[in-house]
Order: sequence, then structure tokens, then C-alpha cells
Amino acid sequence: AQSVTQPDIHITVSEGASLELRCNYSYGATPYLFWYVQSPGQGLQLLLKYFSGDTLVQGIKGFEAEFKRSQSSFNLRKPSVHWSDAAEYFCAVADSNYQLIWGAGTKLIIKP
Amino acid sequence: SAVISQKPSRDICQRGTSLTIQCQVDSQVTMMFWYRQQPGQSLTLIATANQGSEATYESGFVIDKFPISRPNLTFSTLTVSNMSPEDSSIYLCSVEDHREAFFGQGTRLTVV
Repeated sequence: AQSVTQPDIHITVSEGASLELRCNYSYGATPYLFWYVQSPGQGLQLLLKYFSGDTLVQGIKGFEAEFKRSQSSFNLRKPSVHWSDAAEYFCAVADSNYQLIWGAGTKLIIKP
Repeated sequence: SAVISQKPSRDICQRGTSLTIQCQVDSQVTMMFWYRQQPGQSLTLIATANQGSEATYESGFVIDKFPISRPNLTFSTLTVSNMSPEDSSIYLCSVEDHREAFFGQGTRLTVV
């Protein structure tokens, strides 16, 4: 069965530090992969997506993610976080019918 | 990109009553999706709404509890019927456009 695992329920990093949020998926074919961010009281906003091609994907707000087929991973990274990055981050995979399967989310806490 | 207007943004309702949530999109879309996000949880797909046909419900969700209308290609409603405190959640409307999911701001429902 298709699934998405975000092993970290929450992560705390200092402002200015680097960030990596983990995402592992289980899907038989080549997946469509997404990272979304949900700020407090807001809807979800797409950070970046991977469909094919270059496995290192650049997104908005300085985020990037790398697709590693051998590890079934699509980890999200940012070299230097800002206090405004505090939010919940969701990894998702879309099947061929474009039904999204969501990870449980990782809450990012920024220490001043 | 699609812009989605969802209302109400929040409501507090008495148990046993019903609430209808509206979702308006600024462009015509084939499929609209309704999600539930329970406190501290990820997104769970309730149903997919296509214009001109019955909504397709996911396992655990039934039409009597969550009736959906889709009168045209830009509008949909979700009704949460006979509410109980367990229905307290954020309800999100979503559309897919060029393989990207767009979300409304969500409706935060509290049932007392």
C-alpha cells in the first residue's frame, strides 16, 4: 500500500541554523512528490514538487528537496532558517489518479 | 494557479446541528476535494466531488454524514450533518491544477 512517513513529529532548530525534514514514501511506480507548508491558522501552500528530471528540486522561500529513489526519500532542506519558517510541513505523494497521500506532518519550532 | 475562497473560516456549533461549508474557485476545475484535518493530525480525504455526478467518498465517510454538492465547475459545498464533538476539525477544500493541489484557508469547526 502506498504510504508516506515523516518520522519526526516535531523538530526544533535555532534561527540561522540549517534544516532537514525527512520524508520516506512507499509507492510502486515513479512518484509525484510534494512538500507543503501550513502556517498557523493558514491553508496549505506548496513549497516544491518533483515529477521527473533533476532530482534536486528548488522551491519557494529558499527550500530545496532531493529525490533519492534508492532510499525512497524526499527530504526537505534549508541552509538557514528564519523565525517565519515556524510552521507544520507535510510531505505528500500523488498516485496516477492524482490522489494525494499525506505524511503525518512535522512541526518546525524555531529557537531565537 | 487557482485561488480558492472558503467560508466560513471558523464556526462554533451545537451538537446535533449541521454546518454547510462553501468553496468557490476562481477558475473551472474538474475535480474538487474535501479534506478533514483533526487537531494535531494530517489531512484525511473525505471525498472527491466531480461536477454532474455523485461525490466519491473515502472509506469511513458516508454521504448521509457529509453530503456534498457540486452544482458547477467553480463551486462546491460540504455539509457536516448531525454534528458531535468528534467532528471538531479543520475542513479544507482543494483543487488540482496542472498537477498541483491548491487549498482554501480551511474552516475551523468546533462542536460544543
